[in-house]
Amino acid sequence: DTGVSQDPRHKITKRGQNVTFRCDPISEHNRLYWYRQTLGQGPEFLTYFQNEAQLEKSRLLSDRFSAERPKGSFSTLEIQRTEQGDSAMYLCASNPGGGDNEQYFGPGTRLTVT
Amino acid sequence: AQSVSQHNHHVILSEAASLELGCNYSYGGTVNLFWYVQYPGQHLQLLLKYFSGDPLVKGIKGFEAEFIKSKFSFNLRKPSVQWSDTAEYFCAVTVTDKLIFGTGTRLQVFP
Repeated sequence: DTGVSQDPRHKITKRGQNVTFRCDPISEHNRLYWYRQTLGQGPEFLTYFQNEAQLEKSRLLSDRFSAERPKGSFSTLEIQRTEQGDSAMYLCASNPGGGDNEQYFGPGTRLTVT
Repeated sequence: AQSVSQHNHHVILSEAASLELGCNYSYGGTVNLFWYVQYPGQHLQLLLKYFSGDPLVKGIKGFEAEFIKSKFSFNLRKPSVQWSDTAEYFCAVTVTDKLIFGTGTRLQVFP
């Protein structure tokens, strides 16, 4: 399968713990996006990368959230000191860039903070 | 701020009924428009997209959508739904390289 992959698919953590999610985009896709989706809502943009450069961050991305894409391939999203309000589906998407705006989504990581 | 509105939150239809899901966006510039679908237990998949040209776009599985610039709308249609169309449908617009999604419409189709 050559689609976007995310790991883990599910994560249950206790409040106050740190968690890290990984996203592997489609090979040679320059752009990588993170979104968050809560129940009954559409995905909300968090941040995106062009190669290894983080080009935009949403105001939703508090200082407890950090994302990296160190070599321009896979990306990680870390949440420090998790709160119950962080419980959501975290989605990753990629696209080749160069004017093609279609984004290809991964299966998501479902985070539950207890 | 840019936004996308989907007026129908939950739609229930019988098989073979016609479907129209509304989508309006608020953004004055050039837009790229999308409909994504999320089948139960699966990830978001692209149904169709509009970048430019013919405002009537056809997607997969018999879906189509019409871009009406004057109404800032991009409604999704299908003449005859099937049970397998049961899913959540999201309208989205690209604004400065990121997608802005509507809240989604849950479609249930009964045999």
